[in-house]
Amino acid sequence: DAGVIQSPRHEVTEMGQEVTLRCKLISGHNSLFWYRQTMMRGLELLIYFNNNVPIDDSGMPEDRFSAKMPNASFSTLKIQPSEPRDSAVYFCASSLQGQTGELFFGEGSRLTVL
Amino acid sequence: ELKVEQNPLFLSMQEGKNYTIYCNYSTTSDRLYWYRQDPGKSLESLFVLLSNGAVKQEGRLMASLDTKARLSTLHITAAVHDLSATYFCAVDRYQAGTALIFGKGTTLSVSS
Repeated sequence: DAGVIQSPRHEVTEMGQEVTLRCKLISGHNSLFWYRQTMMRGLELLIYFNNNVPIDDSGMPEDRFSAKMPNASFSTLKIQPSEPRDSAVYFCASSLQGQTGELFFGEGSRLTVL
Repeated sequence: ELKVEQNPLFLSMQEGKNYTIYCNYSTTSDRLYWYRQDPGKSLESLFVLLSNGAVKQEGRLMASLDTKARLSTLHITAAVHDLSATYFCAVDRYQAGTALIFGKGTTLSVSS
C-alpha cells in the first residue's frame, strides 16, 4: 500500500513568491495533519482536518498560510507571500480517526525561501 | 497549553550500554506515542501506548507509560550504532486519538 505522498520534496524560491505544497493521504484514512519542523521550534502542528473539515488551525502562523482539503484524499498548504523565516521541512501525516491515533508521515517537503 | 518535555535532548552512548529517555507531559492523556527520525528522513512510528501501565518492546527498545505520573520512558538495552537517531514522544492533544503534540526530541548517538 502506498504511504502518504508529498510533493515537491524540495522547493527553493525567492521571498515574496507563492508556494504550494501537496499531500495525498493513505487510502481509507480520514484525518490529515500538517506539521512544520525547524531546528529552533521542533515539530509544530499547523492544522488538521477530519473528514475534509478543518478542525484546528490554531497552529497556522499567520494569514500568509492557508490549507485546503478539496477532497477526501488530497490536501494543499499554501504560503503567499513566502518569507525566509518560512524555510523548514513541512510534513503531512494521516490517520484513521477513532482508531489508535497513530500518525503516518510523508517524506516531507523541504522549503528554502531566499 | 499542552507541554511535552523530553530529557535528555542529546545523548551520547557507548555500544553495549543501557540508558533511558524520559518524556513528561502536562495533560491527563492516556495515549502516548514514540517515533524515530533518521537525519533527513521522515518520522517512523515505534510504539503506541494506549493505557496506564502499557509496556511495549521491540528489539533493544522498550517503552512504558505511567499516566498518573504523566511520564513515559524509552529504555535502550545494549545500544548498537543502528539505534543512532532522534526519538520523539508525542501526546494526543484532545485525548481522543486526534492531534499529536511532539516533544523536542532526543538525539541519540551510539559509538563504539
